[in-house]
Amino acid sequence: GIQVEQSPPDLILQEGANSTLRCNFSDSVNNLQWFHQNPWGQLINLFYIPSGTKQNGRLSATTVATERYSLLYISSSQTTDSGVYFCAVVNRDDKIIFGKGTRLHILP
Amino acid sequence: KAGVTQTPRYLIKTRGQQVTLSCSPISGHRSVSWYQQTPGQGLQFLFEYFSETQRNKGNFPGRFSGRQFSNSRSEMNVSTLELGDSALYLCASSLGTAFSFGPGTRLTVL
Repeated sequence: GIQVEQSPPDLILQEGANSTLRCNFSDSVNNLQWFHQNPWGQLINLFYIPSGTKQNGRLSATTVATERYSLLYISSSQTTDSGVYFCAVVNRDDKIIFGKGTRLHILP
Repeated sequence: KAGVTQTPRYLIKTRGQQVTLSCSPISGHRSVSWYQQTPGQGLQFLFEYFSETQRNKGNFPGRFSGRQFSNSRSEMNVSTLELGDSALYLCASSLGTAFSFGPGTRLTVL
């Protein structure tokens, strides 16, 4: 089945720094989303981005579907950005497959 | 618009018992899917329901089952609980494209 790999697995940054999180997937997908899981376990939808580029405040994402990767950019990090970031894709069987996530720690 | 709600939020059970979790989707969303999250296995797809029919199923044993009602609310049931069933159970609803998740039910099996 489709493989979803996220990198890096862990990232520690100082407040104010910028970061880039990567998601590689091994096959064509119908759907790609980025989520942020907060310390209470809630998964918050950041972007629905099967292709192209989107921006929302300090966050932006780019998916290059032909090369099977997506990038999530976080600029001017804040401590509230800490948590785990997941990339999820929907394969041809309409099953959602999650990557293992990137755990982000923003230090004050 | 109200988000996806899940009840209960926390649950403690003992081995061998059964448990039923509930999920109410966003109004108008007809697809509900369930996921299990554990530290070892990460987020894994359990099943998806659409218009009261199971449309997709992950690789979980038959002890895990679910259903969807005519109002799109969904329940999942786990019978004969095992210690390894301790996890955060998340449900999501969708209207075809983007998924929105509920806050989850944290199940502890003792």
